[in-house]
Amino acid sequence: DGGITQSPKYLFRKEGQNVTLSCEQNLNHDAMYWYRQDPGQGLRLIYYSQIVNDFQKGDIAEGYSVSREKKESFPLTVTSAQKNPTAFYLCASSTGVSNVLTFGAGSRLTVL
Amino acid sequence: EDQVTQSPEALRLQEGESSSLNCSYTVSGLRGLFWYRQDPGKGPEFLFTLYSAGEEKEKERLKATLTKKESFLHITAPKPEDSATYLCAVRPLNYQLIWGAGTKLIIKP
Repeated sequence: DGGITQSPKYLFRKEGQNVTLSCEQNLNHDAMYWYRQDPGQGLRLIYYSQIVNDFQKGDIAEGYSVSREKKESFPLTVTSAQKNPTAFYLCASSTGVSNVLTFGAGSRLTVL
Repeated sequence: EDQVTQSPEALRLQEGESSSLNCSYTVSGLRGLFWYRQDPGKGPEFLFTLYSAGEEKEKERLKATLTKKESFLHITAPKPEDSATYLCAVRPLNYQLIWGAGTKLIIKP
């Protein structure tokens, strides 16, 4: 079945550590996105990529980094510069920038 | 400023009790309004896209409608399995989605 796989499902980070969240899709979608979800707030865009080797900052990119070396993969690194990283992170993809998003199951990051 | 507001924040209904969820928006040109369903600890699942005022779409017990200022998600005779958080998002002229905070719907048997 086609879809988006995010891993790990749960992740714990100590202060000062960088962590990387994996996102893989087999939908042959060109565009991929990372969102952050916090209680009581709408989804906020961190980064997005429309083609391989190209990506753009979203509304809250500070403290995060991404890469897009393959069409299928769009990993997100949460760096130590992100002061409040505890959140639910969602990866999504679409056939184009204006089309419907398909989401992964999410990764929950907790800072200890 | 582009903005999306969903109400109520939470809604508790008895099984079979019909109601509506609201999504109000102000955007600089609407290129689409989207409804998603999200179960606890999971990613959102797509339900509907609406593009112009007067448009309606239906799926099982759900019907989405759109005006120039808001969208309603009507749920008819809901069942406990309809319990979820329903998210609304709008796509303005710059194509980047703006999301509401969601409405948590609880259907009691």
